Amino acid sequence: GAVVSQHPSWVICKSGTSVKIECRSLDFQATTMFWYRQFPKQSLMLMATSNEGSKATYEQGVEKDKFLINHASLTLSTLTVTSAHPEDSSFYICSPLGYEGGIDTQYFGPGTRLTVL
Amino acid sequence: AQKITQTQPGMFVQEKEAVTLDCTYDTSDPSYGLFWYKQPSSGEMIFLIYQGSYDQQNATEGRYSLNFQKARKSANLVISASQLGDSAMYFCAMREGRRDSSYKLIFGSGTRLLVRP
Repeated sequence: GAVVSQHPSWVICKSGTSVKIECRSLDFQATTMFWYRQFPKQSLMLMATSNEGSKATYEQGVEKDKFLINHASLTLSTLTVTSAHPEDSSFYICSPLGYEGGIDTQYFGPGTRLTVL
Repeated sequence: AQKITQTQPGMFVQEKEAVTLDCTYDTSDPSYGLFWYKQPSSGEMIFLIYQGSYDQQNATEGRYSLNFQKARKSANLVISASQLGDSAMYFCAMREGRRDSSYKLIFGSGTRLLVRP
């Protein structure tokens, strides 16, 4: 199976600071990356979809200027939470799109738990 | 309109018994895929099983099987011979058709399964 890493695995920051989350596909190339957010005891909500070298497409209600996504290479995508506030505290999961067994497969990173004080 | 519905917020099952987790979906796209994921308390998303809309047979993967009833738009997960390690959140997800802007996994609200010894 494909290996996806996320860094950091958890982060605590003060309100108003920016936090960058890195997602790497270690053994495959991903032209498409999905970013999800999961609040406690809730489901995964898609935030945005990005294709390598293109601007991300954001889901309705997700502020593109607050959640900056960069997908500069086929193995690395970053999500930057700018001027983070306590309501941004959540579990952020990246999901690169790969191909396995004849089907397009979304793999998942281990997630980053963000706590904004 | 909600596209993926999981009506069981929580389920209990006795160890070694079978359990069925419900999932219904809504789509007008004739081509779609249905997925089940397990999320233990660590947060990682573990892929369990996949069913394509054109697949003639129900998918099976070890102790997991998918009861696919296309006319009813249901894709229930059956776990046989439950084990204590099966205790986790389970998410049903759907991906519609072609590689365009809708080509993304949408998740249901999840079912928390607790296996009793």
